[in-house]
Amino acid sequence: EDKVVQSPLSLVVHEGDTVTLNCSYEVTNFRSLLWYKQEKKAPTFLFMLTSSGIEKKSGRLSSILDKKELFSILNITATQTGDSAVYLCAVEGSSNTGKLIFGQGTTLQVKP
Amino acid sequence: SQTIHQWPATLVQPVGSPLSLECTVEGTSNPNLYWYRQAAGRGLQLLFYSVGIGQISSEVPQNLSASRPQDRQFILSSKKLLLSDSGFYLCAWSVRSGGYTFGSGTRLTVV
Repeated sequence: EDKVVQSPLSLVVHEGDTVTLNCSYEVTNFRSLLWYKQEKKAPTFLFMLTSSGIEKKSGRLSSILDKKELFSILNITATQTGDSAVYLCAVEGSSNTGKLIFGQGTTLQVKP
Repeated sequence: SQTIHQWPATLVQPVGSPLSLECTVEGTSNPNLYWYRQAAGRGLQLLFYSVGIGQISSEVPQNLSASRPQDRQFILSSKKLLLSDSGFYLCAWSVRSGGYTFGSGTRLTVV
């Protein structure tokens, strides 16, 4: 059965800290791994990763994929209170359905 | 432009009442469409997906059903709601570049 596991489930840090969120997966015929940020409502897209070892970066956020060890990390440097959210990892296997399997999410709280 | 609309935003329904949530997309044709549910503090659980009109696949057994009467319309229904149906329901559409565009979500509370 396809599975995505995120850790930690929750995290409390102070502004300026750096955090690393983890996502491991088991999926048949891996196609891509995606990270989303969710604040109260619908998730918003952060990154899509398909190749190992290539870092994707957007401002203070970055992510990388390891297809051999079947995991990805999401790094946030110099955290701000606006980074407080649930971070979701999802994996797509290769099928025509486009289904995404989501992890449980990591709830990040950044204190001032 | 491509957009996805989902309504209502919030809903409070008594146990045993029916449910109908609607999702429509604009600016694309023959999209893959999905219904997800998110229980409090949990990740997203796939309920149904559809790759075309009238084609519905169910991922988990439950008292919910889905229909796709038109290419860009996806409806989530129930004849009789249970307390356990409470949650945040998200409609999504699979975009060609990968991943999803999500609707704004419906927060359903069954009382």
